[in-house]
Amino acid sequence: SAVISQKPSRDICQRGTSLTIQCQVDSQVTMMFWYRQQPGQSLTLIATANQGSEATYESGFVIDKFPISRPNLTFSTLTVSNMSPEDSSIYLCSVVLGQGGAFFGQGTRLTVV
Amino acid sequence: TQLLEQSPQFLSIQEGENLTVYCNSSSVFSSLQWYRQEPGEGPVLLVTVVTGGEVKKLKRLTFQFGDARKDSSLHITAAQPGDTGLYLCAGAWNYGQNFVFGPGTRLSVLP
Repeated sequence: SAVISQKPSRDICQRGTSLTIQCQVDSQVTMMFWYRQQPGQSLTLIATANQGSEATYESGFVIDKFPISRPNLTFSTLTVSNMSPEDSSIYLCSVVLGQGGAFFGQGTRLTVV
Repeated sequence: TQLLEQSPQFLSIQEGENLTVYCNSSSVFSSLQWYRQEPGEGPVLLVTVVTGGEVKKLKRLTFQFGDARKDSSLHITAAQPGDTGLYLCAGAWNYGQNFVFGPGTRLSVLP
């Protein structure tokens, strides 16, 4: 298994500002994944963060809005830029260990006002 | 269009009852996972199934992977209030890659 710590756990932000979410894993992993979970909904993959290369974004998500850093094999950040109320969601980072399924952080609950 | 469908979407039952949740797709997956998510927490992995027809048991929970690796079911025996949560299935086409999640089944077990 893996232990994943996310910070902050929650935040209330003004529209037009940016928030950077940090994700720390207790082991080295090649890929880290960032998901969004809108209220009452399932998880949608935002991007895959690879160490040493640009993140790979899913359809509907762009780097200018969700820049990602991956400076080493245990850490990643996701920034939600120029926020609007529509960005209010839970943001989750995740890693996959072999065939063992995905492990998630506790999530960052973002409210944009 | 959802790649993974789950049914029912919502389920409210009394403590002690049995229930089954279904996860269906037209895609063939190399593995499928079930997660439970409680409010304010990230999803927690319950099980991974990789072989068509595989059945796994976790205490009162029984998971089955369809023979064609396109569908799965989760059966809970004698449900308890602690089973309340959002149950998500997720499929992967390649090991170590990201998963596609179903819409979830929100279960409420009343005491």
